[in-house]
Amino acid sequence: SQQGEEDPQALSIQEGENATMNCSYKTSINNLQWYRQNSGRGLVHLILIRSNEREKHSGRLRVTLDTSKKSSSLLITASRAADTASYFCATDASSKSTFGDGTTLTVKP
Amino acid sequence: DTGVSQDPRHKITKRGQNVTFRCDPISEHNRLYWYRQTLGQGPEFLTYFQNEAQLEKSRLLSDRFSAERPKGSFSTLEIQRTEQGDSAMYLCASSPLGQPNTEAFFGQGTRLTVV
Repeated sequence: SQQGEEDPQALSIQEGENATMNCSYKTSINNLQWYRQNSGRGLVHLILIRSNEREKHSGRLRVTLDTSKKSSSLLITASRAADTASYFCATDASSKSTFGDGTTLTVKP
Repeated sequence: DTGVSQDPRHKITKRGQNVTFRCDPISEHNRLYWYRQTLGQGPEFLTYFQNEAQLEKSRLLSDRFSAERPKGSFSTLEIQRTEQGDSAMYLCASSPLGQPNTEAFFGQGTRLTVV
């Protein structure tokens, strides 16, 4: 089974609203990464947060990591229709990444 | 260099045929990964190379699957005697050798349909 599990599976919001996605995992990790995937395309790396970091920002993205709860969240502020995509968390415990099944975000214009 | 390149983008094959996919990573990246993704799910790890050495293989990679990276540059993934269950998107990613786990850059994938 996948290491990371995203919640919710699907999220639909209006343009301008914030979107929050959560990721839970089971074992100790070195890093946690968030990726975005548009339908039928490859994955685009968004942000990497290391196990000794608690929060990271990149533009409209804010990622938190709570290693005691084995969870992470991705916040997209002031969402745009172009943010519509699937978002995956990936945990790195060794050299490879283990992905969850993603959150499908729909931003309505 | 425009990123990770995968060829072909789409492949339709009859059950029982062999298929081969190619991945060209970003040129200075030592690490190369293959993942498989089915509809509605996240990518599943298949195998990983560091330079030309195949360092890890998933149990998902049955005897019908083989991957190579002969000169530590491009890689090929071959599936022999394809089955309908092999239908999926096959993703390649590369990353530089550095501190553990850096950002991986993904290609656009090869979508395989076995009919």
